[in-house]
Amino acid sequence: GAVVSQHPSRVICKSGTSVKIECRSLDFQATTMFWYRQFPKQSLMLMATSNEGSKATYEQGVEKDKFLINHASLTLSTLTVTSAHPEDSSFYICSARDLKAATNEKLFFGSGTQLSVL
Amino acid sequence: LAKTTQPISMDSYEGQEVNITCSHNNIATNDYITWYQQFPSQGPRFIIQGYKTKVTNEVASLFIPADRKSSTLSLPRVSLSDTAVYYCLVAREAGTALIFGKGTTLSVSS
Repeated sequence: GAVVSQHPSRVICKSGTSVKIECRSLDFQATTMFWYRQFPKQSLMLMATSNEGSKATYEQGVEKDKFLINHASLTLSTLTVTSAHPEDSSFYICSARDLKAATNEKLFFGSGTQLSVL
Repeated sequence: LAKTTQPISMDSYEGQEVNITCSHNNIATNDYITWYQQFPSQGPRFIIQGYKTKVTNEVASLFIPADRKSSTLSLPRVSLSDTAVYYCLVAREAGTALIFGKGTTLSVSS
């Protein structure tokens, strides 16, 4: 299946700093990518839908000014956590849609980024 | 979006067949049923997807009754490495943003 690369896999930062997470579709073009957040022992929560060349669509309750999403190319979407605080510590996961995939699997997930804010 | 209900946890032993059933009573005509597996600190991994009847691949089987209000993921002869969280999801079309429920934590013991 298609590969989605997410970087970094783990990041530790100080409170008040900003952190950027990259999500790349390695062997396909993704006009749409999705960002999720997952707290320990909980399920994935959809944060936003990222569309190439346009503004992201955020789910209710997700602050768009805090979680900046940029999808400038068909293979890259970035999530920037601005002015991070300890409560932003979480596992962030991206996924990308490959509508041309030959199989039923059309949505591919990155390996996730563990963010720890001190 | 159709809400899904599945057991919170299940226990099994190596070599056994495990069946995880998911209820999706308000599934719509155009909805697909997809199952994902997630290990700790990793992104979800696609297992299988179906629309009706039975689907089988090299990893699992998916049984969907005629009314499509439930589905059962069958894992043949599980091993310790199958210990993970399994999510049942229903989505309008392949590739649509997936809304995850609580999932089923499967624990396989030796």
